Amino acid sequence: GNSVTQMEGPVTLSEEAFLTINCTYTATGYPSLFWYVQYPGEGLQLLLKATKADDKGSNKGFEATYRKETTSFHLEKGSVQVSDSAVYFCALSTGTASKLTFGTGTRLQVTL
Amino acid sequence: NAGVTQTPKFQVLKTGQSMTLQCAQDMNHEYMSWYRQDPGMGLRLIHYSVGAGITDQGEVPNGYNVSRSTTEDFPLRLLSAAPSQTSVYFCASSYEAVPYEQYFGPGTRLTVT
Repeated sequence: GNSVTQMEGPVTLSEEAFLTINCTYTATGYPSLFWYVQYPGEGLQLLLKATKADDKGSNKGFEATYRKETTSFHLEKGSVQVSDSAVYFCALSTGTASKLTFGTGTRLQVTL
Repeated sequence: NAGVTQTPKFQVLKTGQSMTLQCAQDMNHEYMSWYRQDPGMGLRLIHYSVGAGITDQGEVPNGYNVSRSTTEDFPLRLLSAAPSQTSVYFCASSYEAVPYEQYFGPGTRLTVT
């Protein structure tokens, strides 16, 4: 079956620090990969996605590259801001319909 | 557009009670899903629908029932609430199947005592 493993949180960084949140996956077939973000008290929002190997998804300064050889989709940002404080979820899908398999989420706290 | 709306925002039930969580979207999306979010477990798929009149089970369907009589609405029914169903419930919709973006509602926080 499909599964997603994310690094445990919480991650605490100072503003302008470099961010990496690791994500690895196990999947049957060729998955599409996603990062969703959940701000306090809100639902999830799509942050970025990649649908095939070597694709790079990017949005709002965040990037992630689909690495088939290492089954990874690590999230990076060069300089985090306090407003980036949220929970980040890595997810995948391999089939039709709208079925996503999520990781457990990583809480990011950015301080001044 | 209101997007995906969920009601109620909060609910407390006693064990054995039944209730319906409401979900509606005004984006004419064919695909809708229900997830539950539990600490340390991410989101898990309960039920999903690929169009009006068509539903199927996800990863954790036991104790829940769904129907899809219209494109807009996808209610989730708890048949006999149990403490294990204490969770935050999210409804999501998308225009087509993944990898199209899924739009999530704000969630319903349910406590079963």
